[in-house]
Amino acid sequence: EIVLTQSPATLSLSPGERATLSCRASQSLSNSLAWYQQKPGQAPRLLIYDTSNRATGIPARFSGGGSGTDFTLTISSLYPEDFAVYYCQQRSSWPLTFGGGTRVEIK
Amino acid sequence: EAQLLESGGGLVQPGGSLRLSCPASGFNFHSYAMSWVRQAPGKGLEWVSSINGGGTTFHADSVRGRFTISRDNSKSTLYLQMNSLRAEDTAIYYCAKVRDWGTIWYFDLWGRGTLVAVSS
Repeated sequence: EIVLTQSPATLSLSPGERATLSCRASQSLSNSLAWYQQKPGQAPRLLIYDTSNRATGIPARFSGGGSGTDFTLTISSLYPEDFAVYYCQQRSSWPLTFGGGTRVEIK
Repeated sequence: EAQLLESGGGLVQPGGSLRLSCPASGFNFHSYAMSWVRQAPGKGLEWVSSINGGGTTFHADSVRGRFTISRDNSKSTLYLQMNSLRAEDTAIYYCAKVRDWGTIWYFDLWGRGTLVAVSS
């Protein structure tokens, strides 16, 4: 099973600041990684797939990068609605796995 | 507008059974793989089961032999039969649409979830 480790667990930032979230895999994923956003009481929403492709309707301030075992999600300038929990997920091999999440909170 | 709407959750005793349903609308259900993902209270996301467009199924080790995913394309509905339920199965269960028929296993549409609570 591929283990995904997200860091930091919590990121405290102010609106307008840049957020950089990390996801590290226990083995190479090639580019088979996605990012999701989840707000309290809501279902997750797909943001990025295959490392760097924005899903439909996702603003350009969200970008993804990396390859192999190290991946990042960057939010170039935080909007109030971006404060949420973010999860990475791999599709490289079964079972599909998620990271433990990074909470982006208002400083 | 594409939608998924889970139902069938509730309170059940350990060892009991439940059947979750997820009718889909707004997209060609038969053309897409589907999945169940769960989230224990205050915890992260955990993949449970998936089924591709041809009916091939995949289950997490934690539920294999107890849970069965299925689909009825004529009703555009996804199911999860859960037997021998345990306390650790307590979670919100989300129905999720996969990006394609069964190769690009990301989840691009989610339902609102249904709560399953296993307790005596």
